[in-house]
Amino acid sequence: ETGVTQTPRHLVMGMTNKKSLKCEQHLGHNAMYWYKQSAKKPLELMFVYNFKEQTENNSVPSRFSPECPNSSHLFLHLHTLQPEDSALYLCASSQEEFQGTSTDTQYFGPGTRLTVL
Amino acid sequence: AQSVTQLDSHVSVSEGTPVLLRCNYSSSYSPSLFWYVQHPNKGLQLLLKYTSAATLVKGINGFEAEFKKSETSFHLTKPSAHMSDAAEYFCVVSDDYGQNFVFGPGTRLSVLP
Repeated sequence: ETGVTQTPRHLVMGMTNKKSLKCEQHLGHNAMYWYKQSAKKPLELMFVYNFKEQTENNSVPSRFSPECPNSSHLFLHLHTLQPEDSALYLCASSQEEFQGTSTDTQYFGPGTRLTVL
Repeated sequence: AQSVTQLDSHVSVSEGTPVLLRCNYSSSYSPSLFWYVQHPNKGLQLLLKYTSAATLVKGINGFEAEFKKSETSFHLTKPSAHMSDAAEYFCVVSDDYGQNFVFGPGTRLSVLP
C-alpha cells in the first residue's frame, strides 16, 4: 500500500464523454501531481498543486481540467478527449519542504489506464 | 534546467548475472537523484534516492547506485539479477525545492532464465 490511491484503475471513454479521474493520498502531504505516461515516451508532468493552489501547468490542453478541493484529493476532469490522449495517468504526492535543498520524494499511485475511442 | 539521459532503452541479462542501468544527468543545482521501478500494470515504486549524503546509496531488493559528480552519473547496479527484477526503470532528477521532477525515458530490463 503506497498511501496514494487512484480510481478508476481502467477507463474507456468516447471522444464526446465527460469523465473524471480521482486521486487520494493518506500521507499528510501538501503537494500533489498529475503525470501522463504514454507508450514509448518519458513521463510528462501535467499539473502541480501545492497547498491546494495550482503552481504549474505544463502546457496541457484545456480538455484536461484539474481540481484540488483539499490537500488530500486531486481530480482530473476529462472532456472531448482525443485518441492520442490514451495513456496511463499517474497521481503523486510529496511533503512540501521549502528549505533550499529538499530531501523529499514523490509517492505514486497505481495509475488510471485511459483508453479513448 | 535539469535533464536526464538513460543511455539504454532496453537491457537484457541472464538470471544471476550483474545488472547495470546507466543514467546521466545535468542540473544547475545540487541535485537530488532517484531511481524508480515500474512493474507491468503497477504504479511506480521508489528504489533509492541520493540527497547529498553518502555517494553510494543502497536501496530495496539489493539495488544500489553511486553518485559521481565528476561524471554526472548515477548508475543503478545489482550484483545478481532475479526474474522478478524484470520491469521498467526510471532515473529522476529534482531541483532544490523538490517540486520539479524530471524523469528519464526509462530502461526496460529483461531477465532471461
